[in-house]
Amino acid sequence: DTGVSQDPRHKITKRGQNVTFRCDPISEHNRLYWYRQTLGQGPEFLTYFQNEAQLEKSRLLSDRFSAERPKGSFSTLEIQRTEQGDSAMYLCASSPGTSGMHEQYFGPGTRLTVT
Amino acid sequence: AQTVTQSQPEMSVQEAETVTLSCTYDTSESDYYLFWYKQPPSRQMILVIRQEAYKQQNATENRFSVNFQKAAKSFSLKISDSQLGDAAMYFCASHTSGAGSYQLTFGKGTKLSVIP
Repeated sequence: DTGVSQDPRHKITKRGQNVTFRCDPISEHNRLYWYRQTLGQGPEFLTYFQNEAQLEKSRLLSDRFSAERPKGSFSTLEIQRTEQGDSAMYLCASSPGTSGMHEQYFGPGTRLTVT
Repeated sequence: AQTVTQSQPEMSVQEAETVTLSCTYDTSESDYYLFWYKQPPSRQMILVIRQEAYKQQNATENRFSVNFQKAAKSFSLKISDSQLGDAAMYFCASHTSGAGSYQLTFGKGTKLSVIP
């Protein structure tokens, strides 16, 4: 049984470059979430998918951010024209989507450093 | 909107002793869930314990238990017989079931150190 996986684990990029992160949820989990965590803070919600549908987006998700989950399995998060303020840990989580099962299971995260 | 407040940025406990981490929350919803997550250094976040707001009985998971005071909107975590492996950041989180929103709202965390 594998947990939530994320790739890459670390990414260093120069300001202005585009980056893409991948998340593979626990198999058969139909809900997938992206969060951002900066140093010394708790994770902040970015967006949520139920199967392939993106149902909720935070105001934190600016126009430079886009997320997809094309076949309801893995998801990608792209940041265009990165800025230094985008430096953070990007966490992915999944949950079963069964009524009453509200726990979210987190991946190890992708740490982004924008220089 | 929900808010979660953890007022203790750092705590320490002697090995084998008991420690309580505090959390308060604010929500206008009647149906919600509360969680404690543990994030060890450079490792992924794992669920420690959860509490459904409609349940009066406090949740317990082995050495971990909560004190859920619904009227006071308080949700503290008690760790008994602390072990070195308990050292981590602990985050309190909540989410509601209303309006189809499943996002978790987290507090800023409490860094727990365990002294041998």
